[in-house]
Amino acid sequence: GAGVSQSPSNKVTEKGKDVELRCDPISGHTALYWYRQSLGQGLEFLIYFQGNSAPDKSGLPSDRFSAERTGGSVSTLTIQRTQQEDSAVYLCASSLVAGVTGNTIYFGEGSWLTVV
Amino acid sequence: KNEVEQSPQNLTAQEGEFITINCSYSVGISALHWLQQHPGGGIVSLFMLSSGKKKHGRLIATINIQEKHSSLHITASHPRDSAVYICAVGLGSYQLTFGKGTKLSVIP
Repeated sequence: GAGVSQSPSNKVTEKGKDVELRCDPISGHTALYWYRQSLGQGLEFLIYFQGNSAPDKSGLPSDRFSAERTGGSVSTLTIQRTQQEDSAVYLCASSLVAGVTGNTIYFGEGSWLTVV
Repeated sequence: KNEVEQSPQNLTAQEGEFITINCSYSVGISALHWLQQHPGGGIVSLFMLSSGKKKHGRLIATINIQEKHSSLHITASHPRDSAVYICAVGLGSYQLTFGKGTKLSVIP
């Protein structure tokens, strides 16, 4: 696609429910990144994919969080048994190749998650 | 872990003013990004720097690797420049460390 596409753009869910957030990167981009921005906080790294593999999941805040990527394209971030502290904007980004140096990173518009 | 500090946190300017936003980091890096986040959350990458200076339209970004400092300048500011500007640094890998952002409001 023309840009990084995320869905849903807004999601309100009840505490304890599971949610899935989807990211469709720019076509041909092999690297895909998930970040989170909590209210009043800076962005924090969650997980990174190179192709379908996630070499580093260290940013995932708990085992309730998981992510997968299929076909080297679409990625899904799943949050199980949501808690109020999970409320945040979840941002997806992609770049042509892996690594920060030499790469322009393209961000999606974000998925705003509110847990009530 | 790299600590990224931005200043100021908030900035209000009159249309036409020259604006400077600063970013300092604690650990040597290989790339620094300036990002723009508009209300509604969408983020646009403005610059990626590893040395020197880059210019795009009214925006200029500079970096001093020795001093671990970067600045983003906006000349002839306009209300449409109102946004949060975020500095992010990386050390030869995929993982970026972000500053908390500078909220810029440009008043007509």
